[in-house]
Amino acid sequence: GAGVSQTPSNKVTEKGKYVELRCDPISGHTALYWYRQSLGQGPEFLIYFQGTGAADDSGLPNDRFFAVRPEGSVSTLKIQRTERGDSAVYLCASSFGLASEQFFGPGTRLTVL
Amino acid sequence: DQQVKQNSPSLSVQEGRISILNCDYTNSMFDYFLWYKKYPAEGPTFLISISSIKDKNEDGRFTVFLNKSAKHLSLHIVPSQPGDSAVYFCAAQGSGAGSYQLTFGKGTKLSVIP
Repeated sequence: GAGVSQTPSNKVTEKGKYVELRCDPISGHTALYWYRQSLGQGPEFLIYFQGTGAADDSGLPNDRFFAVRPEGSVSTLKIQRTERGDSAVYLCASSFGLASEQFFGPGTRLTVL
Repeated sequence: DQQVKQNSPSLSVQEGRISILNCDYTNSMFDYFLWYKKYPAEGPTFLISISSIKDKNEDGRFTVFLNKSAKHLSLHIVPSQPGDSAVYFCAAQGSGAGSYQLTFGKGTKLSVIP
């Protein structure tokens, strides 16, 4: 596809469950970012990758959150033992290089009941 | 502590008039500023940006002004059109290696009334 895609578009889970959110960046983009947007807030940075390695994970709120990008393309954000406060839209963005324009996907809306 | 602030949650403007969206920042390490536009159920899309070495950048109907001493920037849309109705986010980026993430404000919802 032409843009960043994210699956699923919506995810409803129960408190304490494990979830995985997937991001497919634009082909050829080496940098990939995850942001979280809570209700009434702007997107907040979580982590970014340059290639396969996490270049900066300082935005991850705690050790229940983890992200991988094993082949330098698709990335998965993993959340263990979900809590109601994790409910938000999780946005993924990619860019050609770290200093280039970031293109955002439509997001995954996560609801933790 | 919010490092990027958009103090107006919403703004209504008549079609054809000017829309002015404001943004303030507190971190003096920010040196690149962007405006993103967001429609419901879509991701933010890049609109216009400005480097801290400039005080103005123009692209068609959109102009961004930067007042570095006041740590303030604004987005002007002239003339405003109904299709401009969306949430506008101001974002900032730091300088140097390790500063590639964007710091966003809370957004301003613009409604352009036909």
